[in-house]
Amino acid sequence: KQEVTQIPAALSVPEGENLVLNCSFTDSAIYNLQWFRQDPGKGLTSLLLIQSSQREQTSGRLNASLDKSSGRSTLYIAASQPGDSATYLCAGRQTGRRALTFGSGTRLQVQP
Amino acid sequence: DAGVIQSPRHEVTEMGQEVTLRCKPISGHDYLFWYRQTMMRGLELLIYFNNNVPIDDSGMPEDRFSAKMPNASFSTLKIQPSEPRDSAVYFCASSPRTSGELFFGEGSRLTVL
Repeated sequence: KQEVTQIPAALSVPEGENLVLNCSFTDSAIYNLQWFRQDPGKGLTSLLLIQSSQREQTSGRLNASLDKSSGRSTLYIAASQPGDSATYLCAGRQTGRRALTFGSGTRLQVQP
Repeated sequence: DAGVIQSPRHEVTEMGQEVTLRCKPISGHDYLFWYRQTMMRGLELLIYFNNNVPIDDSGMPEDRFSAKMPNASFSTLKIQPSEPRDSAVYFCASSPRTSGELFFGEGSRLTVL
């Protein structure tokens, strides 16, 4: 059974800093991995989807990488802003399965 | 295009009452998922449908929970009778067959007193 872990659980950085959020998964037979953002009291917003055949995806200041062999994915946020403050979740989809398995998230606070 | 639409956004009920949560997926999406989110357990898959057919309901906690998808544009999650431990945020999500990217609704926050 796929298990997804996110470390750290919480992170506080000053505005403007570049930062990396980590996600690890136990089963390397991963079909794709998706990063989400969740604001308090809201649903999850899809940020980036990386297929198993890809190594990274970029959207604006966000860059996500996927390394199946090591069971790791990272989300890089460049020039962080207070508006980036939210909980970031990663979720992996195993090959042969349709549902995503979620990590517990990293709560990010960007201080102005 | 409207996203995934859930109702009600908030529901407060008393133990033993029936609760029905509703979801309208994104038009054209083949898959619909129900997840539950709590502080203790995070996001857990309850059930998912492919073309209106339930595929995996192994995450449904017990017989008090049931889900239906009578057509491609509507699904319900029913809890009968409800218990305080069912208090959580229930999310509906849908995805297209092609990319598999998952899109979530805003959630239904359920409080059972």
